[in-house]
Amino acid sequence: DQQVKQNSPSLSVQEGRISILNCDYTNSMFDYFLWYKKYPAEGPTFLISISSIKDKNEDGRFTVFLNKSAKHLSLHIVPSQPGDSAVYFCAASAEKSSGDKLTFGTGTRLAVRP
Amino acid sequence: DAGITQSPRHKVTETGTPVTLRCHQTENHRYMYWYRQDPGHGLRLIHYSYGVKDTDKGEVSDGYSVSRSKTEDFLLTLESATSSQTSVYFCAINERLAMRNGVPDTQYFGPGTRLTVL
Repeated sequence: DQQVKQNSPSLSVQEGRISILNCDYTNSMFDYFLWYKKYPAEGPTFLISISSIKDKNEDGRFTVFLNKSAKHLSLHIVPSQPGDSAVYFCAASAEKSSGDKLTFGTGTRLAVRP
Repeated sequence: DAGITQSPRHKVTETGTPVTLRCHQTENHRYMYWYRQDPGHGLRLIHYSYGVKDTDKGEVSDGYSVSRSKTEDFLLTLESATSSQTSVYFCAINERLAMRNGVPDTQYFGPGTRLTVL
């Protein structure tokens, strides 16, 4: 039972355009959501997070939107750069807005074309 | 950089042999985790620890055991490796930064260990 779903295994975007990565969840107890980026042969690195009390969080080129009623979140990258090419994982926690015991999605591979 | 190292980085072993993977951290974090990453599954939590000798099972703990006798080391053991345990294993720490204003609470991951069980 996949509680966190990333239904698009891959995404290709032109450099300079917007990348939108989507994530859906089923567990209504999740109250904290994170996005990680992973390059080959490296561990995932934290990008941005959002608490369930917010619907938007922005950090530079990265913005995460949360729609609790739809149990959906998305990561927007604007403008996309070739260095953004990586696998992106959505993760969720039900541990009172902490980063404890994360449940991950299956990942979306983003390719940014020069 | 959260000072996390994993050893070995690569290992090939045979079915039925015991295997121990080591995660070492240098910054005295209490919370440590072991995940495996597989295609189509993302990262799945195997075991976690909230301190020395305080460990618990995660989502996919069958066939794995852990030990934490020192704060800095979290060991993952496959008592009798099987081909289904071929995977990339990641260790992570959580700094429990939730109380720090403006700093998100998150996990920091090690570089991973690629394990192949033949």
